[in-house]
Amino acid sequence: DAGITQSPRHKVTETGTPVTLRCHQTENHRYMYWYRQDPGHGLRLIHYSYGVKDTDKGEVSDGYSVSRSKTEDFLLTLESATSSQTSVYFCAISEFVGQIGGSPLHFGNGTRLTVT
Amino acid sequence: DAKTTQPNSMESNEEEPVHLPCNHSTISGTDYIHWYRQLPSQGPEYVIHGLTSNVNNRMASLAIAEDRKSSTLILHRATLRDAAVYYCILIYGQNFVFGPGTRLSVLP
Repeated sequence: DAGITQSPRHKVTETGTPVTLRCHQTENHRYMYWYRQDPGHGLRLIHYSYGVKDTDKGEVSDGYSVSRSKTEDFLLTLESATSSQTSVYFCAISEFVGQIGGSPLHFGNGTRLTVT
Repeated sequence: DAKTTQPNSMESNEEEPVHLPCNHSTISGTDYIHWYRQLPSQGPEYVIHGLTSNVNNRMASLAIAEDRKSSTLILHRATLRDAAVYYCILIYGQNFVFGPGTRLSVLP
């Protein structure tokens, strides 16, 4: 299994509080992604990173920010959590082999976030 | 968007082969085709990927049409542990874009 660790695995927080989720990889892969998964919506991309300090938005980036100061760590921050951000969050990593898509995407085990 | 179309659900009997179809008529010449599956309460798991030629690995086979507008994931002998949602995806920009997938039920 790819070395991906997400922390925390579960979190309950109150509306309006900041929350940071961490994704740590030991594979030295260039690409890292944050997805959220909700019933009826499937997996939706929040943000992704294509290198240290290189990040870009996905389709549901509003209310989220990311940072990648080291190859191995990709942080997702909810600046002021809302109930609509209650979800399961997955981190994924991928190598760059010739072109994006030439190498598989590997997922972490997810973080279940509940905003009350 | 790079878009794929899959049946919402399929059923198979245990120990029989399963053919999961995917249409991707908007595929470009350099797009890889990826398949993932997600078991209940788990994160998505890589199954297989390919570009033009058919591909085999320990989990499955991927048959890609000659015009690349469709592909089929083949599970050679379904087991109860293969019951999952199977996603066929293309790469859009630098992103792996997931659709709703096919929910596969395996009957004993």
